[in-house]
Amino acid sequence: NAGVMQNPRHLVRRRGQEARLRCSPMKGHSHVYWYRQLPEEGLKFMVYLQKENIIDESGMPKERFSAEFPKEGPSILRIQQVVRGDSAAYFCASSPPSGGPKDIQYFGAGTRLSVL
Amino acid sequence: SQQGEEDPQALSIQEGENATMNCSYKTSINNLQWYRQNSGRGLVHLILIRSNEREKHSGRLRVTLDTSKKSSSLLITASRAADTASYFCATEANNRLAFGKGNQVVVIP
Repeated sequence: NAGVMQNPRHLVRRRGQEARLRCSPMKGHSHVYWYRQLPEEGLKFMVYLQKENIIDESGMPKERFSAEFPKEGPSILRIQQVVRGDSAAYFCASSPPSGGPKDIQYFGAGTRLSVL
Repeated sequence: SQQGEEDPQALSIQEGENATMNCSYKTSINNLQWYRQNSGRGLVHLILIRSNEREKHSGRLRVTLDTSKKSSSLLITASRAADTASYFCATEANNRLAFGKGNQVVVIP
């Protein structure tokens, strides 16, 4: 049973470009979460999704950031017109249908975004 | 918003010694979880303690939770070099995990 898969592991973008980060949850998991980690910091919640639904996006910046978890395929975190301050590690986590956020969350290895 | 805060932030110990980390939070929670992160890697779940539990064990790990003081501790007994990592506490409430800044633990062989 593969774990949470994130790709790419490393992503380099120039200012103004778009960044697309992908996350495939563990098999059978229907809850997906995105977190951002700045250097020397803990993870900050961004968004919580279920299939085709955004449940809680209160941690997402109001502009340029969006997330989706379509019926088929991975969850996508999209950052438009990236700026240097977007450079960070972005982690995805998933949890099984039974518990949701109150259950253990299983994390991917993260995508490290560098904006030049 | 609530946020776990670990104390101390950096800990260096000899192999075989015990390591203790503390975490405090501000608001009501459903559960508190501890995670480990090796450098440049994702987080690995260690242990979850629910708000109605006071103590929990898992192998060499012991976690306590004091909801009256809004604090938790993680004890790693008989540490090993492989325990070298950052350790984060995370509180769960309102559909989200709120992480602290982490404790860097270095176990010297």
